[in-house]
This record gives sequence, structure tokens and C-alpha cells, in this order.
Amino acid sequence: SQKIEQNSEALNIQEGKTATLTCNYTNYSPAYLQWYRQDPGRGPVFLLLIRENEKEKRKERLKVTFDTTLKQSLFHITASQPADSATYLCAPNSGYALNFGKGTSLLVTP
Amino acid sequence: DTAVSQTPKYLVTQMGNDKSIKCEQNLGHDTMYWYKQDSKKFLKIMFSYNNKELIINETVPNRFSPKSPDKAHLNLHINSLELGDSAVYFCASSQGGFSGGFPEAFFGQGTRLTVV
Repeated sequence: SQKIEQNSEALNIQEGKTATLTCNYTNYSPAYLQWYRQDPGRGPVFLLLIRENEKEKRKERLKVTFDTTLKQSLFHITASQPADSATYLCAPNSGYALNFGKGTSLLVTP
Repeated sequence: DTAVSQTPKYLVTQMGNDKSIKCEQNLGHDTMYWYKQDSKKFLKIMFSYNNKELIINETVPNRFSPKSPDKAHLNLHINSLELGDSAVYFCASSQGGFSGGFPEAFFGQGTRLTVV
């Protein structure tokens, strides 16, 4: 069955450091993979999309990599800020569906 | 203007009741979805509608019935509510569906359903 695993449930880092979140998937051959941010009591918000023929994508302080051989995506937040504290969800597509990992809760402390 | 709006935000009801959650999007998207987020925070797709036509119907009890009166609206009706239906339900929309060219999804703020 298809599985999406995000590396840890919680990640604590100090302000200014780079946060790296991992997403591994099995039994998927996604044409693309998305990352979303979810704050408590809110719906997920789209951050970045990377396609299978792209190795890396950047947007401001965010960077995503996609390794279809390893079946893994890495999500980096550089120069992290307390405002980056949230849950980050990985979502590889599967045909018409977009299923989400459980998410990694990131806490950035001053 | 809110892009995807759901009502109500909170819904507390007794077992056995029937309830509806409404969703509207003003983004002009042609595809809308219902997701369920349970207490373990897994976000799982329930239904997908493209241009008012049902595309995805995941393994969901038939007590759940989506209704799409037009492209901008997708409502969720739940019959005979059970304790296990307690969760947060999210509506979302995108253009072209997740196999299309613009798959980024926009989510509503969620409806927290509590069945007592």
C-alpha cells in the first residue's frame, strides 16, 4: 500500500539555523510533490511544488529537493524564524488524489 | 475575500443526527475536495468533484454524501452521525485536479465536528 513518512513528529531548532524536513514515500510514482504548511486551527497552505523532472526548487528562504530514485523529498528552511513554527506536510500526487503525510511539527526558538 | 470558505466552523451534535457542512470557493477553480483530518492529524481525501462530477470517492461510509450544485460549491451531508465521525473536515479546491497542470490546493479553515 502507498505510504508517506515524514522523518519526525517534532523538530526543535534555534532561530537562524536551517531546518531540514524529510519526506519518504513508498509505492508511489508521483509526477510531482507538494509541501504545505499548517498552523493550529487552520487549513493547510500551499508552499512549494516540485515536479519529477526537477531536482531542486527554491522560493525565498525555502528549498525543496526531489529524488525519485530514493523516493525522497527534503524541505529546507534557511535562516529560520520563530514565525516559521508550524506543521509542515508533504504530499506526493497519485493520479487524481493528493494524499498527505502526517506532518513534521517545527518549533523555532529565539 | 476568503478564497475557500466553510460553514460552520464548529459543529457539536448528538449521535444519530444528520448534519451538513457547506463549502464555497471564489477562485474559479473547477475541482473541489473534501478531506478529513482525524485526531492523529492524518489528512485523508474523501471526495473529489471536477465540474460537478464525482471523480474520487475514497472508502467512506455511504452515510457521507457530497453534493455539488455548481462548480463553486461542494457541500457534505452526513447521516446518522457516529462518535467516530468526530474530526476536522476540510474543503479544498484546485484548478484541473491533481493530475492537471495547476494542482496546488487551497483549503478552507476547516469544520471541527464533535459527535457526543
